Amino acid sequence: KNQVEQSPQSLIILEGKNCTLQCNYTVSPFSNLRWYKQDTGRGPVSLTIMTFSENTKSNGRYTATLDADTKQSSLHITASQLSDSASYICVVSPYNFNKFYFGSGTKLNVKP
Amino acid sequence: DADVTQTPRNRITKTGKRIMLECSQTKGHDRMYWYRQDPGLGLRLIYYSFDVKDINKGEISDGYSVSRQAQAKFSLSLESAIPNQTALYFCATSDSGGGFQPQHFGDGTRLSIL
Repeated sequence: KNQVEQSPQSLIILEGKNCTLQCNYTVSPFSNLRWYKQDTGRGPVSLTIMTFSENTKSNGRYTATLDADTKQSSLHITASQLSDSASYICVVSPYNFNKFYFGSGTKLNVKP
Repeated sequence: DADVTQTPRNRITKTGKRIMLECSQTKGHDRMYWYRQDPGLGLRLIYYSFDVKDINKGEISDGYSVSRQAQAKFSLSLESAIPNQTALYFCATSDSGGGFQPQHFGDGTRLSIL
């Protein structure tokens, strides 16, 4: 069964600290993995997209890593800011591009 | 102005009513999608359209229908709303570039069915 699981469900960190969010998937055959940021009351916004041949991709203070062998990805946030408070969603696509498997997200709260 | 606009943003209605949610985009994308988001669950695909003449069911299409009126417009209808259709609904678009293009989401419609 194709699944995407994210951990932790929620996380509280202090402003300026780093954090890492995890995504494990069983989707096969794998094509690409995406990370989205969803602010409260808004739609998700794309942060990164990685194919099976990419190990890491950065977007400013956000760095995503991918290990296609172990079917794991992480999103590392450096020097967190209050504006990073949001839900972060991992999405995996198989070679059938009509499908997107969404994780349930990690809710990050950055406190001053 | 937003690239992907959903109307209404909020709607409260009663069981049995017919409801239409509308989505319009200015991005010029061929592909459009409707999702629903429930607390604690990932987004689930209701319907998707790769062009005006191509409409496909997603994983949870029962109880829903769609219409692609133009490249820029994709509407979702609930013919006879029921309480378990209470959810946050998102429209998304993407370019047709080989499946590696990001999806661009609207800000959602919060639908409550009493």
